[in-house]
Amino acid sequence: ETGVTQSPTHLIKTRGQQVTLRCSSQSGHNTVSWYQQALGQGPQFIFQYYREEENGRGNFPPRFSGLQFPNYSSELNVNALELDDSALYLCASSLALAGGPTQETQYFGPGTRLLVL
Amino acid sequence: AQSVAQPEDQVNVAEGNPLTVKCTYSVSGNPYLFWYVQYPNRGLQFLLKYITGDNLVKGSYGFEAEFNKSQTSFHLKKPSALVSDSALYFCAVRDRKRGGGNKLTFGTGTQLKVEL
Repeated sequence: ETGVTQSPTHLIKTRGQQVTLRCSSQSGHNTVSWYQQALGQGPQFIFQYYREEENGRGNFPPRFSGLQFPNYSSELNVNALELDDSALYLCASSLALAGGPTQETQYFGPGTRLLVL
Repeated sequence: AQSVAQPEDQVNVAEGNPLTVKCTYSVSGNPYLFWYVQYPNRGLQFLLKYITGDNLVKGSYGFEAEFNKSQTSFHLKKPSALVSDSALYFCAVRDRKRGGGNKLTFGTGTQLKVEL
């Protein structure tokens, strides 16, 4: 196991609702990335947080937002849920050295499976 | 823009035989390349990565991968497959530009099935 934990493991919401997913990074890691993995697809990068700041964003609308806390844990918030938001949400942590994230290995948590009805 | 292609949705191999899972990439400049494995209802597990240096990279559980710059490929290999290797394998790439986050771009995955 990687030491990256996510909660909850499963979640069911209805269209239009809001959801918050949580991630605790591996001890010593300072960077958290979030990915969305739709059924039968590879993970898609949502955004990354480094030292509590957003440090890169994929092609996701603003209703996807996040936070990173001083202990480097992180939250992913999704507003106005749509049916297509149903997916496995993966959090990955890594240790970026001075200068910011580059080629560090990302270690993934088990994911949160979100179903939007 | 960076991209990854995994041309085979599924690879079948007999236990004890060598296996290869193919990956080609497209990125501006030199790439960082990664392989991950995903077991059912689990997150991704890191296998190996290429950053620089020797083109043959050795990783976890006896897996290795060969970086071929001229063919823009990074195929995953194992000399002798085990039934327990059956899983979904993802290749991922990141370009070397700073900024934009350490964004990994993944392929669509290859299901490996190892049979007795």
